[in-house]
Parts: sequence; C-alpha cells; structure tokens
Amino acid sequence: DQQVKQNSPSLSVQEGRISILNCDYTNSMFDYFLWYKKYPAEGPTFLISISSIKDKNEDGRFTVFLNKSAKHLSLHIVPSQPGDSAVYFCAASGSGAAGNKLTFGGGTRVLVKP
Amino acid sequence: GAVVSQHPSWVICKSGTSVKIECRSLDFQATTMFWYRQFPKQSLMLMATSNEGSKATYEQGVEKDKFLINHASLTLSTLTVTSAHPEDSSFYICSARDPRGQIPTDTQYFGPGTRLTVL
Repeated sequence: DQQVKQNSPSLSVQEGRISILNCDYTNSMFDYFLWYKKYPAEGPTFLISISSIKDKNEDGRFTVFLNKSAKHLSLHIVPSQPGDSAVYFCAASGSGAAGNKLTFGGGTRVLVKP
Repeated sequence: GAVVSQHPSWVICKSGTSVKIECRSLDFQATTMFWYRQFPKQSLMLMATSNEGSKATYEQGVEKDKFLINHASLTLSTLTVTSAHPEDSSFYICSARDPRGQIPTDTQYFGPGTRLTVL
C-alpha cells in the first residue's frame, strides 16, 4: 500500500514557465513533508519542506503548498530552468520516534525545454 | 554543506557471493543512518535504520539475515548483501542524519548510491 503517491510520472515544461508537481498521501500521521531532487546515479538532494501546521512555504523559485484536509501537497517551480530537469520525489515523515523515517512517493520526471 | 559518500559506486558480482557497501558521513558524526533501495523507475524504499552502537531496525519484509547492517562508528555504516541473487540487483542509497540540524528530516543527507548487479 503506497502511502505517498505521485500520480504524474513525468512533466514537460517550457523554460521560464511554471512547473507544478503534485503529491498525495494517505497516512494521517504524517506531519512533515519534503521535496527532493534527484539526478541519475546520484542521491536525492533536499529542496524544501513544510510542516503540517503551515499551508505554504517558499524558498526562492520553489514553493510548497499543503492542503491537509485533502492530504495533498504540491511543489511549484517558477520560473523553470533547464537545470531543473531531474526526478522530483516528495516524501513524508511522522513525528516522535519515527520522525526521521521518510516515506517516498514514486517520483516525477521533469523536463524543462529551453 | 554536509557530504555523505558511498563505496563502491557500482559493483557486479556472481550469484551466491556477498557484497559490502560502505556509507560514510564526511564532515559530521551520524548516530543514525538509513539504507534505501530503489528499483528502476520506482521510489526509494526504506530498508532499515542503522543506529550507532546498537542493532539496526529493519522495515517489514526486509530480511535482516540477508541484509546485514553494521554501524560501527559515528561516521561509518555498512550494508552487506549476503548470498546475493539476481533479484537483489538494485540501486542502494544510504542517508545520514546530521544531529546538528534543528529539523532532523531536513538535515538527512543522501549518499550518491551504489548500483549492484548480480549475475
């Protein structure tokens, strides 16, 4: 049972436009959410995170939105750049002793066309 | 920033042999490290949590006798795939938590991964 899902396996966007990546989760115990970027043959690198007490967090070109009632989060990248082409994973974490364990979604491959 | 290394970056072995993968935190001491595996075009699946000086905690469905984890020091965790078979072929990634970070999950740094191919 996949607790974190990214329903779009791929996304193609023109340079300068907005990239919107979506993520849904089912476990109501998750209270912290993260987005990672991953290039082939490399480990994921942390992009941005959001706590369940917030509904938005912004860092430069990256903004994460959380809709807790819908168990849905999204990552907006604007403007998109060719260097943003990578696979993006959303991940979720619970609190307490399990707070460090991350449950990942399946990933969305983003291609930014120049 | 924090760096986590893995060695080797790729390995090819014969069926039935054992393979050891090392994960090192290079500029911080990590009491907790994590091991993941990723199948092609799939997500990262947590295999186990490696705790320095104590036994690893394995996720449900992961055979602890097959995937031996040793966290002998604050900067090194090893994963040994014992009696490897072709179905063990995968991309194995470790991560280490920097305890200096205010938010533990934000300061979990990933290694570059090890591609294991079992013939």
